[in-house]
Amino acid sequence: DQQVKQNSPSLSVQEGRISILNCDYTNSMFDYFLWYKKYPAEGPTFLISISSIKDKNEDGRFTVFLNKSAKHLSLHIVPSQPGDSAVYFCAASEGGSNYKLTFGKGTLLTVNP
Amino acid sequence: DGGITQSPKYLFRKEGQNVTLSCEQNLNHDAMYWYRQDPGQGLRLIYYSQIVNDFQKGDIAEGYSVSREKKESFPLTVTSAQKNPTAFYLCASSIAQGAGETQYFGPGTRLLVL
Repeated sequence: DQQVKQNSPSLSVQEGRISILNCDYTNSMFDYFLWYKKYPAEGPTFLISISSIKDKNEDGRFTVFLNKSAKHLSLHIVPSQPGDSAVYFCAASEGGSNYKLTFGKGTLLTVNP
Repeated sequence: DGGITQSPKYLFRKEGQNVTLSCEQNLNHDAMYWYRQDPGQGLRLIYYSQIVNDFQKGDIAEGYSVSREKKESFPLTVTSAQKNPTAFYLCASSIAQGAGETQYFGPGTRLLVL
């Protein structure tokens, strides 16, 4: 049973426009959420995270929004650049003494010049 | 430079053979993790270790073994009992302060079966 779901396997946007990647979760014990970016044959790179006590976290072109009541988070990239083309993974943890991350299956973002 | 190194980048395994994947970190992180990624799938946790000489099974530990004799090192052995070992293996580490853990990943090892 998937506890973290990324329902869009792929997303294509034009350079300069906004990219919105979505993630849903089912485990109400999750209280820390992360987004990773991954290129083929490389390890994931940490992008941005958010704690459940917040509903928004911003870092440069990247903003993560958390809607706890809907168990939904999203990553906004503005403006999108061709170098942003990669697979984006959403991950979540229960925090506390539980260090495990649960990952979604990823969304392939393609930013067209 | 601080970081996580994995070796080798590619590894070939013959049927019935055990192989060991190396993972080293110089970030002074307490916790280390092994994940497996298959095409079109997310990362699945194989084993994790919060401190030296202690480790726990993840979601897909069958056919794998680990050791944590040093803080910096967390090798993963893929045994002959793992029937479908072809995958991309990723090692990660984190400070392990409790809530709000960010895991940082190595470059990965691709294991192929001959």
